[in-house]
Amino acid sequence: EAGVVQSPRYKIIEKKQPVAFWCNPISGHNTLYWYRQNLGQGPELLIRYENEEAVDDSQLPKDRFSAERLKGVDSTLKIQPAELGDSAVYLCASSLRSGRFSGNTIYFGEGSWLTVV
Amino acid sequence: KQEVTQIPAALSVPEGENLVLNCSFTDSAIYNLQWFRQDPGKGLTSLLLIQSSQREQTSGRLNASLDKSSGRSTLYIAASQPGDSATYLCAVSFDDYKLSFGAGTTVTVRA
Repeated sequence: EAGVVQSPRYKIIEKKQPVAFWCNPISGHNTLYWYRQNLGQGPELLIRYENEEAVDDSQLPKDRFSAERLKGVDSTLKIQPAELGDSAVYLCASSLRSGRFSGNTIYFGEGSWLTVV
Repeated sequence: KQEVTQIPAALSVPEGENLVLNCSFTDSAIYNLQWFRQDPGKGLTSLLLIQSSQREQTSGRLNASLDKSSGRSTLYIAASQPGDSATYLCAVSFDDYKLSFGAGTTVTVRA
């Protein structure tokens, strides 16, 4: 079974340029997450989708970040314009479902490594 | 603010020694706790998931314990091998959905 697939794996852009990351979750997984991981730190949640609905985007910097999950499958995370502080690893993850006491294992992709120069 | 702390940040042991990794959290009202492994340049792989009603989980050489009252979890890795070298992250679910991660402990097992 294929895992969570992300692309591109690596991206170097100049500040003020746009960038987009794509994620294909595990088949059948209704819940999709985007996390950001800075060097030497643990991941922090940016946005969580239940099917095509963004149910938690409280940590997403909405002035420059946007995300979508069309048809409740693939998802795209966009940054426009990028700033130096956006350099990080952007991790996509999925689980069968989320919710109280669900305790579902979360499966992570290998991440998209962004460097803004 | 609910926080997850992992100490030490790095650990180096000789092959064959047992590993003990610590995780502490500030709020005992948790739903579950997970331990993840992250290899350099890779994503996270879930190792063990402990529900709030459980005290421990085991998988092969790995054993994780949970003590909610003291806000602690410990990951034990028996008879460490060089292939166990990685960063181990603890993640706590304080609410229904969101995982709060520690910064991780980077383990090096010397051959």
